[in-house]
Amino acid sequence: KAGVTQTPRYLIKTRGQQVTLSCSPISGHRSVSWYQQTPGQGLQFLFEYFSETQRNKGNFPGRFSGRQFSNSRSEMNVSTLELGDSALYLCASSWESGSGGLNTEAFFGQGTRLTVV
Amino acid sequence: GESVGLHLPTLSVQEGDNSIINCAYSNSASDYFIWYKQESGKGPQFIIDIRSNMDKRQGQRVTVLLNKTVKHLSLQIAATQPGDSAVYFCAENGEGNYGQNFVFGPGTRLSVLP
Repeated sequence: KAGVTQTPRYLIKTRGQQVTLSCSPISGHRSVSWYQQTPGQGLQFLFEYFSETQRNKGNFPGRFSGRQFSNSRSEMNVSTLELGDSALYLCASSWESGSGGLNTEAFFGQGTRLTVV
Repeated sequence: GESVGLHLPTLSVQEGDNSIINCAYSNSASDYFIWYKQESGKGPQFIIDIRSNMDKRQGQRVTVLLNKTVKHLSLQIAATQPGDSAVYFCAENGEGNYGQNFVFGPGTRLSVLP
């Protein structure tokens, strides 16, 4: 079974630009969540999507957004990039039996390393 | 490789010894906890989980202990091997009991000495 796939692996953008990152979850997984990892702040939760709906949201500004498609693939978008957005962006997927599923383990991709210059 | 934390606490252990990595969590209402391992250049890898109705759970070479009274979680690795060298994160479920919204600890770097 293929794992979580994130594309691209590396990205360099200029301040003020926008960026879209992509995540393909493990087959059969309907929950996709996104995290930002930096040396200073560690791993921080951005948001989670389940069945094309945002179900949980972290404490990030509105410049960070996401969506999920009917095949469970997800994208996240960051607009008006700032230098502080440079980070490793991680996507994780998990399996649930239904919309009210309990927390279960999340399987992470290798991440997209975003550098803002 | 990726730098996941420039000033992480570091635990150095001799190969073959047991390792104990500790974690304090913040939310007394959290009822699900996970330990992840992250190697350089890779995403976090699931190790073991535990729900709040348990105080101990064992896997292959790993044991997680949960002390809800003092909001403390620990990961024990038996017979530590060089391949265990990595950064270890504990995570607790955030608000709500469903879905993925984990709150991660700062991480501990485990260094296995030959």
